[in-house]
Amino acid sequence: DTAVSQTPKYLVTQMGNDKSIKCEQNLGHDTMYWYKQDSKKFLKIMFSYNNKELIINETVPNRFSPKSPDKAHLNLHINSLELGDSAVYFCASSQVIPGLAGLIYNEQFFGPGTRLTVL
Amino acid sequence: AQSVTQLGSHVSVSEGALVLLRCNYSSSVPPYLFWYVQYPNQGLQLLLKYTSAATLVKGINGFEAEFKKSETSFHLTKPSAHMSDAAEYFCAVSGRGAQKLVFGQGTRLTINP
Repeated sequence: DTAVSQTPKYLVTQMGNDKSIKCEQNLGHDTMYWYKQDSKKFLKIMFSYNNKELIINETVPNRFSPKSPDKAHLNLHINSLELGDSAVYFCASSQVIPGLAGLIYNEQFFGPGTRLTVL
Repeated sequence: AQSVTQLGSHVSVSEGALVLLRCNYSSSVPPYLFWYVQYPNQGLQLLLKYTSAATLVKGINGFEAEFKKSETSFHLTKPSAHMSDAAEYFCAVSGRGAQKLVFGQGTRLTINP
């Protein structure tokens, strides 16, 4: 009954390869995110999708391409992997709630992370 | 634009002592504020959140935080530390109506027996 799940948990690959990370949430949320946590534990948002539509793209290289086949899934594909891509990637989800002054984005629930190591 | 500064990348306290983790924020719009905890090799778990209701927010595991607008602070406290509290703690901010979470650099909490 995991709320936000990611596969794989660990990913070790060579430079130049292409790899994908999958994320699924069973919370019924309509917004999903990808975050990158670097070796110093700093967390930064990469992408956000709302109802399968891309709404945040934080100056991430074109080699990173998110895909959301439906509201419950947000996958991350990375082309031509580089050493600097080594990090922990977290998926998250949240629910948008209509508020009096506009949309309210409720707290985000995070997956367990995928540790990517590029050799 | 929003930003978060967590004072102290590493805090060490004795078991049973007060835990105080500092967070200061900057936001051009009324903020939502969050504290998340990350245990080793795990994802982030929400401890508590401030969303413009009560300024003193109680969370899980005995933690609480107080929103002080005049000081632009949202410090996390726990009266008595437990060994199981050892983890990395992240303060985060988002603007109301904005979905992007901006995180601080994290504070590693160590509990000494």
